[in-house]
Amino acid sequence: DVKVTQSSRYLVKRTGEKVFLECVQDMDHENMFWYRQDPGLGLRLIYFSYDVKMKEKGDIPEGYSVSREKKERFSLILESASTNQTSMYLCASSPPMATGRTYNEQFFGPGTRLTVL
Amino acid sequence: AQSVTQLDSQVPVFEEAPVELRCNYSSSVSVYLFWYVQYPNQGLQLLLKYLSGSTLVESINGFEAEFNKSQTSFHLRKPSVHISDTAEYFCAVSEWSSYKLIFGSGTRLLVRP
Repeated sequence: DVKVTQSSRYLVKRTGEKVFLECVQDMDHENMFWYRQDPGLGLRLIYFSYDVKMKEKGDIPEGYSVSREKKERFSLILESASTNQTSMYLCASSPPMATGRTYNEQFFGPGTRLTVL
Repeated sequence: AQSVTQLDSQVPVFEEAPVELRCNYSSSVSVYLFWYVQYPNQGLQLLLKYLSGSTLVESINGFEAEFNKSQTSFHLRKPSVHISDTAEYFCAVSEWSSYKLIFGSGTRLLVRP
């Protein structure tokens, strides 16, 4: 089974702090994703990475950055946390598209609930 | 642009009753469709997916969904729900060869005894 782990289940930080959220997957997947989940809004893509050191902005990248130095690890960084970044953050990974498989099935971690005071 | 609409934010139902969770999507191209489930305090798990072929797809725990191209819908159904089905359900759409999944806003299924 694919396993995606996130470093913390719950995190409380103060406004202005630099925050790191870590995600690790053990299935050698090329693609990794960071989402935030808010009530009534579903999941919104922040960033994704399709290879080591490669990244692309998602739909709501403002206020966030990412780092992917190793294939199995994808970090989300809040340079200066703000109260409007209080949310549930979900990491996901997926294998690459391949001949005969042109869909993207994503596997999710348990989430990190971040509260910024 | 793609979008997914789940009109019902919450669906309360009694145990052993049938349930339907509605999902409509908009896209100008061929799509793949997914239902994910999120149990309390957990991440999302894939429940079922439509890729091609038969328009009716089933999960191992009794859920089924039917792809209706003319109505651009992918509604999720179960003939008899259990307490353990209480969770939030997300519909998602993806275009062919796209990395992006577009999620609906979710429907919270609350099963009462």
